[in-house]
Amino acid sequence: ETGVTQTPRHLVMGMTNKKSLKCEQHLGHNAMYWYKQSAKKPLELMFVYNFKEQTENNSVPSRFSPECPNSSHLFLHLHTLQPEDSALYLCASSQGAVGRVSGANVLTFGAGSRLTVL
Amino acid sequence: AQSVTQLGSHVSVSEGALVLLRCNYSSSVPPYLFWYVQYPNQGLQLLLKYTTGATLVKGINGFEAEFKKSETSFHLTKPSAHMSDAAEYFCAVSGGTSYGKLTFGQGTILTVHP
Repeated sequence: ETGVTQTPRHLVMGMTNKKSLKCEQHLGHNAMYWYKQSAKKPLELMFVYNFKEQTENNSVPSRFSPECPNSSHLFLHLHTLQPEDSALYLCASSQGAVGRVSGANVLTFGAGSRLTVL
Repeated sequence: AQSVTQLGSHVSVSEGALVLLRCNYSSSVPPYLFWYVQYPNQGLQLLLKYTTGATLVKGINGFEAEFKKSETSFHLTKPSAHMSDAAEYFCAVSGGTSYGKLTFGQGTILTVHP
């Protein structure tokens, strides 16, 4: 496979469930991102990992817990979510490390995981 | 801090007509500017980017954008719309210590009529 792959593509969960979203990139990139895309709102950056280290947490509630075991994989663990957390969660990766001036900072996005919280 | 404003959440054109999607940005440092497109049930795909150098940037699918520093604009154009161009388009900016962390506009949905 090539590019950025996200699973599952669709997820329905109750407010007391625990689930995880998975992202895998086959591009040899060293930075990975989680974005949230809600209806009628701009894409919101949630987390950034640079060489497996978290470099950005954009004031995300603790019910979202990211994990980056290696530079190719990124997870978003979900616990006791709220209905307003229903959204499309997009994973992305880039070649340039965040914070360095680099024209290579083009993000490649996955197709997203559509989350519905009941 | 950086921000992006996309003028018009919906734009409708006829097939063969000019496409113009407007984007204005705010940045205290020299910006990198991007246009992404999102088709239904898909992630975002890069159309084009401006980093440095030539201010007229050509991208995929016949799109181009011009960086105008004096107007803080990066409008996206295509001379002749095609039905397959119907999608949502996002303008984004990064810069300074935020290189690589994109700030997106709210998106513009492009509808193409036969």
